[in-house]
Amino acid sequence: DTGVSQNPRHKITKRGQNVTFRCDPISEHNRLYWYRQTLGQGPEFLTYFQNEAQLEKSRLLSDRFSAERPKGSFSTLEIQRTEQGDSAMYLCASIHSQPGGLEQYFGPGTRLTVT
Amino acid sequence: GNSVTQMEGPVTLSEEAFLTINCTYTATGYPSLFWYVQYPGEGLQLLLKATKADDKGSNKGFEATYRKETTSFHLEKGSVQVSDSAVYFCALSPNAGGTSYGKLTFGQGTILTVHP
Repeated sequence: DTGVSQNPRHKITKRGQNVTFRCDPISEHNRLYWYRQTLGQGPEFLTYFQNEAQLEKSRLLSDRFSAERPKGSFSTLEIQRTEQGDSAMYLCASIHSQPGGLEQYFGPGTRLTVT
Repeated sequence: GNSVTQMEGPVTLSEEAFLTINCTYTATGYPSLFWYVQYPGEGLQLLLKATKADDKGSNKGFEATYRKETTSFHLEKGSVQVSDSAVYFCALSPNAGGTSYGKLTFGQGTILTVHP
């Protein structure tokens, strides 16, 4: 299967700890997106990359959040000093930024629980 | 900014009933519109899309028409099945030509449960 993969699928951490999630997009897709989904809500945009460049960050993304895509392939999302409000599903999606390439392919998500 | 509003759920139907899930949007310009579906335990999947006014997206018996005059993209299916039970999300994306191309804004989702 060559879809979008995310690791880990579940993460339980204590408040104040740092966590890092990984996303592996579909190999030929040059745009990669991170979203956050809380219970009963739709996904909310966090940030996206075109190749290795981070082109946009949401105001939802506080200074405790950082994302990288160092070689334009996989991406990591790190949350420092986690808070209970960070508990959510973190989704990654990829797309090829050519005309007509509108469908975003989503990974299964990483569910974060901060205790 | 862009926003999407979906009818509140949950929606509970009997098999073979007609389904409508309302979706309206606010956006600058001419966005593309999508319906995504999330089956229990699975990731988001694209159900259908429409890229310009009056386009009709369709897939698996579901349809939605891009209505610019009413800024709506309602999802319909003539006869639902138990296997259609899932969460449905309406979403929009700016069209090509800007850096925000491809970035999705979602509605809050509508839970559909279909009983035999």
